[in-house]
Amino acid sequence: AQKITQTQPGMFVQEKEAVTLDCTYDTSDPSYGLFWYKQPSSGEMIFLIYQGSYDQQNATEGRYSLNFQKARKSANLVISASQLGDSAMYFCAMREGGTGGFKTIFGAGTRLFVKA
Amino acid sequence: DAGVTQSPTHLIKTRGQQVTLRCSPISGHKSVSWYQQVLGQGPQFIFQYYEKEERGRGNFPDRFSARQFPNYSSELNVNALLLGDSALYLCASSLAGFGANVLTFGAGSRLTVL
Repeated sequence: AQKITQTQPGMFVQEKEAVTLDCTYDTSDPSYGLFWYKQPSSGEMIFLIYQGSYDQQNATEGRYSLNFQKARKSANLVISASQLGDSAMYFCAMREGGTGGFKTIFGAGTRLFVKA
Repeated sequence: DAGVTQSPTHLIKTRGQQVTLRCSPISGHKSVSWYQQVLGQGPQFIFQYYEKEERGRGNFPDRFSARQFPNYSSELNVNALLLGDSALYLCASSLAGFGANVLTFGAGSRLTVL
């Protein structure tokens, strides 16, 4: 069965520094996708970055990069040069590619606090 | 282009009542997913519809039901409301229901059950 684990309930980072948010997953499907979403206090979920299980290189989108370690089943999000506006909840999510391909599940989230 | 729109944005119900939440996907998106997010937790998958057929169901009781219409909009119905149903209900649309298709979320419907 699919499972996403985020073990950091809260994280603090100094403005302009980099921060890594951890995510591990479990699936028996060789084909899957991993996503990161940001949820500010306003409540709306914002897509940040995607990594496919067969992608050879780690995904990057601006200041966001995904550190994908397939053998360890981890998909950590790295935010470089943190900004005050990065303070939010961050969710890791996974969709399997096989018969379970119609369900995206989310982890419990990590709340990031950026300090000035 | 309009994003994913949900209605109502807020509603208050009492235990035992029924509620219907509505979602309009982004134009061209054929898949709609519903999630329940209790305060302080991650979204929990309820349903996914693709091309008007149910393609996924989460671990929710039969009091929860949904459907997708020919124009790809969707409704989520919850019967016999319990206090524990109080949550933010999120709708998300995507071009298709599988693969790398990214979910685009609406702002949610916040349900309070008294």
